[in-house]
Parts: sequence; structure tokens; C-alpha cells
Amino acid sequence: GQNIDQPTEMTATEGAIVQINCTYQTSGFNGLFWYQQHAGEAPTFLSYNVLDGLEEKGRFSSFLSRSKGYSYLLLKELQMKDSASYLCAVRDGDYKLSFGAGTTVTVRA
Amino acid sequence: IAGITQAPTSQILAAGRRMTLRCTQDMRHNAMYWYRQDLGLGLRLIHYSNTAGTTGKGEVPDGYSVSRANTDDFPLTLASAVPSQTSVYFCASSVSGTDEQFFGPGTRLTVL
Repeated sequence: GQNIDQPTEMTATEGAIVQINCTYQTSGFNGLFWYQQHAGEAPTFLSYNVLDGLEEKGRFSSFLSRSKGYSYLLLKELQMKDSASYLCAVRDGDYKLSFGAGTTVTVRA
Repeated sequence: IAGITQAPTSQILAAGRRMTLRCTQDMRHNAMYWYRQDLGLGLRLIHYSNTAGTTGKGEVPDGYSVSRANTDDFPLTLASAVPSQTSVYFCASSVSGTDEQFFGPGTRLTVL
């Protein structure tokens, strides 16, 4: 099986920056995904990393280090609407996706 | 239909009953998936299908079965529901097994 760890909860202030870390141990690696999930809704795709380095997409950036089994999602200029759960997911050697338990981010005014 | 839909939205079911959760996508995606989401455990893969006519087992397949008779539909059946199957069930699809997955709105199932 897969082992994917991320913090349970994080709180930050509107306008600030928050970094959500994800560490993983998998049998084979074929990419890492970040999804956003608002309460009571479906997960929606945020980012994908398969090579080491930083991928930037507007206010969101995702970083991957395959040798360290580590990724982070960086949320900049936080807005109230960013309050949600953020799911780290790793695609293994069989191309199946395994999810971490998710990090609930609360943005305070 | 636009995207991926699931039915019913929610259901309360007596233990021992048979139940089929429906999932339909109109994006002509080849791959489809069923997950369950439980508090503190995240999303766990139940079954998947890489293309019409084929299915595979995920992490937690026991007590569930699927079929993929065509590209659009991927129903999930609980043959004899048990309380531990109380969960939120998400269906997802992707162009292929290597692409990002798009999720349906979910079905909240309670087994009493």
C-alpha cells in the first residue's frame, strides 16, 4: 500500500501565504496531484507534478522532490474562498491514485 | 448532461439490502473510478475501469462490484449493505489512466 502524510489542519490570515507539506512512500511513482475540496463538494484538480521542481499556476504553486518523497502546495494572497481541504494524491507504478487524508485550511479575516 | 453525474444524491438503506449507485459521464473519458471518503481516512479507491469492458480492484473492493458495459456508465453495486459501508461515494473519470481525474458530486449513503 501507499503511505501519504499531510497535516490535518492549518489556519492562516487573509492575504497571507500558507504552505501545505505532503510526504509519501509508494511502490513506484507516476506523478503527484493536489486537489481542493470545499465542504460538502467534490474534489477539484489544482496541480500536477511529475518532475522535480516548482509548478506555478496563479496564486497556487506546487513543488516536488522525488528523491525526498516530498511535495508542498503553496497558497499565496489567501482569500476567504480558499478555506477548504487540500488533498495530496500520488499515482503509483500501476497508475492508481492514492490520497492523503487531506489538510483543512481555515482562512481568518 | 455536462460532465459527470451521480445518483442518488443521498440514500438511507437498511442493512442487508442491495443498492446500486449510478455514475454517468458525457466527456467520453476512457477511465472511470469509484472512491469512498470517510472522515480522517481520505479518499480510498474501491474499483476502477481503464476502458469499457474492463474493471479492476482498488484498495477496498470487498462488498462492492462494478460493471462497465459502455463508455459513459459505471454503476457501483452493494450486494448486501452493511453499516461499515456508510460513507460518501465519489465517482471520477479521466481521459486515460494517466490523466487528471474529474469527480462527480458524490452520493451520501447511510446504512442502518
